Amino acid sequence: EAGVTQSPTHLIKTRGQQVTLRCSPISGHTSVYWYQQALGLGLQFLLWYDEGEERNRGNFPPRFSGRQFPNYSSELNVNALELEDSALYLCASSLAGRSRNTEAFFGQGTRLTVV
Amino acid sequence: AQKITQTQPGMFVQEKEAVTLDCTYDTSDPSYGLFWYKQPSSGEMIFLIYQGSYDQQNATEGRYSLNFQKARKSANLVISASQLGDSAMYFCAMREVNSGGSNYKLTFGKGTLLTVNP
Repeated sequence: EAGVTQSPTHLIKTRGQQVTLRCSPISGHTSVYWYQQALGLGLQFLLWYDEGEERNRGNFPPRFSGRQFPNYSSELNVNALELEDSALYLCASSLAGRSRNTEAFFGQGTRLTVV
Repeated sequence: AQKITQTQPGMFVQEKEAVTLDCTYDTSDPSYGLFWYKQPSSGEMIFLIYQGSYDQQNATEGRYSLNFQKARKSANLVISASQLGDSAMYFCAMREVNSGGSNYKLTFGKGTLLTVNP
């Protein structure tokens, strides 16, 4: 069974550009989480989608947005890129967002570099 | 206030020895879940072990065990018989109810970098 897949794996963008990152959850998982991990820092929660709706949002500016499709895959969009957006972006999926006991499985991440 | 605190930025252990990675948490939710993840240099987050707040026994998964002390709000990860491949970042995480009462998110600590020496 395929795990969580993210694309692309690496990306280089210039400041001011826009970027779209993609995530396909494990089959049967309805919840998708996005996290930002800047160099040397822990995981900062970005967004959580469950059954097509945004359920929770971290402390990030509005230029970070996303959506979840009917097949539960998800996109993360970042507009007007800034140098400090350079980070590893991790996507995770889980069976049901409302279950406390459900672990989240992560993809390998997209490493975004803004120059 | 931090929800998840990992006080050890880095830890060193000799191969084949046991090591304990500390994690304390803060929540007012009586029901919550605690997780540990491993992140090697490749970047992928690997799920290791889960502990529910109502679980009576400490969780174990192979060489990993979780020393859960609910009254102290601690959930330390114990790795027995360390291997060179255990060298990685280790993150403690908690899933809890948010203020809305029906939504959950997974909150991570800042991580501990474990280095296993031969």
